[in-house]
Amino acid sequence: DTAVSQTPKYLVTQMGNDKSIKCEQNLGHDTMYWYKQDSKKFLKIMFSYNNKELIINETVPNRFSPKSPDKAHLNLHINSLELGDSAVYFCASSRRGTGEETQYFGPGTRLLVL
Amino acid sequence: AQSVTQLGSHVSVSEGALVLLRCNYSSSVPPYLFWYVQYPNQGLQLLLKYTTGATLVKGINGFEAEFKKSETSFHLTKPSAHMSDAAEYFCAVSDTGGFKTIFGAGTRLFVKA
Repeated sequence: DTAVSQTPKYLVTQMGNDKSIKCEQNLGHDTMYWYKQDSKKFLKIMFSYNNKELIINETVPNRFSPKSPDKAHLNLHINSLELGDSAVYFCASSRRGTGEETQYFGPGTRLLVL
Repeated sequence: AQSVTQLGSHVSVSEGALVLLRCNYSSSVPPYLFWYVQYPNQGLQLLLKYTTGATLVKGINGFEAEFKKSETSFHLTKPSAHMSDAAEYFCAVSDTGGFKTIFGAGTRLFVKA
């Protein structure tokens, strides 16, 4: 039973298109995150949500819009895709979002923009 | 602001040899420190973490790390490497504020037969 799941696993699309990535966690956690991992494996926080409220927005372009319909879901919509958006996007969750908690990661969505 | 530096983007060891992956952090407040492992085409999973208390922390798969405040370090070790340890390892830091964890650039561990 997957704890944090993401769909799709792979996404290949053309520049200028709009796409969405979905994330669901069945751990009963209050806090969810989106990370971007570039080709050099560098992992950077994009957004943090707690109880459906946006807590952290790390200077991500406005083309990226997260949406949390409920505590178990955090989706990422990307408008007008650019070549530089190509990366692996990871969703994660933690129980309450406090600093000492373990984060549980999804398997990642590999986005390639052509 | 918090930061993490992992020394060495690639480390290669022979099977059965000691594994040492280095991590130094910067934090103006007492940090929480983590090591995560990422196997190919997978998400990250926790190896171990330091929050408070004992500075030598034991994790899964025989790994351990020691928090040394005076050296601002949290190096990861394993006495004997196994082929299955080949993966990307990330050191990370957060604080009591939560909601934001800073990851190091990662160290790729190669294990030679």
